[in-house]
Amino acid sequence: ETGVTQSPTHLIKTRGQQVTLRCSSQSGHNTVSWYQQALGQGPQFIFQYYREEENGRGNFPPRFSGLQFPNYSSELNVNALELDDSALYLCASSPQRFSYNEQFFGPGTRLTVL
Amino acid sequence: AQTVTQSQPEMSVQEAETVTLSCTYDTSESNYYLFWYKQPPSRQMILVIRQEAYKQQNATENRFSVNFQKAAKSFSLKISDSQLGDTAMYFCAFVPSMDSNYQLIWGAGTKLIIKP
Repeated sequence: ETGVTQSPTHLIKTRGQQVTLRCSSQSGHNTVSWYQQALGQGPQFIFQYYREEENGRGNFPPRFSGLQFPNYSSELNVNALELDDSALYLCASSPQRFSYNEQFFGPGTRLTVL
Repeated sequence: AQTVTQSQPEMSVQEAETVTLSCTYDTSESNYYLFWYKQPPSRQMILVIRQEAYKQQNATENRFSVNFQKAAKSFSLKISDSQLGDTAMYFCAFVPSMDSNYQLIWGAGTKLIIKP
């Protein structure tokens, strides 16, 4: 059974650029959640996808957008990057859309915005 | 507002000792779930233990147990016989409802260091 994978591991961008982060969910999981974790803080929920539909969104501006594919892998896109977007971006998959289920996390993508 | 507070930014104990991490939360819901997640230095977050609010019995998982005080809105994690591999960031989190639209709310974390 393959766990949750994320790519790339690290990424450096400049302010104003756009970035796409990718996540492959664990086999059999149809739900993917994305989190932003700033240095020294807990994760902040960005949004969740369940069977290719957005199923909840946190307090993030529209320049944060996402997509889930038929194989349940997912992308997080961030437009017009700002310095405060520098963070670890975590993806988590689960077998159902209810967040009281255990979530299985990927290793994260470290994004640095200069 | 629904919040989670972890009042201990960092703790360190000797190997084999017992350590307790604190967590308090705020919600007006009566039915919810509470979690402790562990994030080792390699960064991959894993679930340590989960508690359903309507269950009075405290959850246990091997060396990990919780002290759930619903009235006090307190959910502490006890690690017995601590091991070097327990060194990690520990996050308390909860889902304030059984509704699928509700998502995890996280605390800021406690950095736990186990010393040899």
